[in-house]
Amino acid sequence: GAVVSQHPSWVICKSGTSVKIECRSLDFQATTMFWYRQFPKQSLMLMATSNEGSKATYEQGVEKDKFLINHASLTLSTLTVTSAHPEDSSFYICSAPRTSGRYEQYFGPGTRLTVT
Amino acid sequence: EDQVTQSPEALRLQEGESSSLNCSYTVSGLRGLFWYRQDPGKGPEFLFTLYSAGEEKEKERLKATLTKKESFLHITAPKPEDSATYLCAKQSGNTPLVFGKGTRLSVIA
Repeated sequence: GAVVSQHPSWVICKSGTSVKIECRSLDFQATTMFWYRQFPKQSLMLMATSNEGSKATYEQGVEKDKFLINHASLTLSTLTVTSAHPEDSSFYICSAPRTSGRYEQYFGPGTRLTVT
Repeated sequence: EDQVTQSPEALRLQEGESSSLNCSYTVSGLRGLFWYRQDPGKGPEFLFTLYSAGEEKEKERLKATLTKKESFLHITAPKPEDSATYLCAKQSGNTPLVFGKGTRLSVIA
């Protein structure tokens, strides 16, 4: 069964509004979670690393004031797209590593964001 | 800088026609080599992690192998439901996974 969930699975919003996406690890704790963005027929692009209890680490070129990340607990990270524009429309996916002897990284089902 | 290269970019197979997907990676600091399956509009589904050269793992019609420079995902007698994009990723140390661009597999009945 799924070990990482995301909510919502899809969202449509108007330009200028903000959208929050939640990522939860379901049966394990994750001090670190990752946020990716994926354009059609392209691979995953890492946006940022979410760290529980501290600031997120953003990849080069990703605006931290636009993509706000909060890792509020050991099972929840949120990504807020602020003042969304049509070019922010994309598929956003989170992942969480689980280390129980071996390192395994699981992905959520993704969130399709459409900004009109 | 870590690099992961997958080939071919796309592969079309007849049902039952076995084949292999390739993933080559920069060698230094390998902690793990990951394979995922991704269906359109969904998040990647974890398949395998390989940690050292010579390691092999199997799941149904899929078998992943690892050498010092590359990994192969062998698909034996594929079925149409195996159609998906297969992603390979490398982890070095404690850094995030570095993904290849994927191989889009189509299995035709």
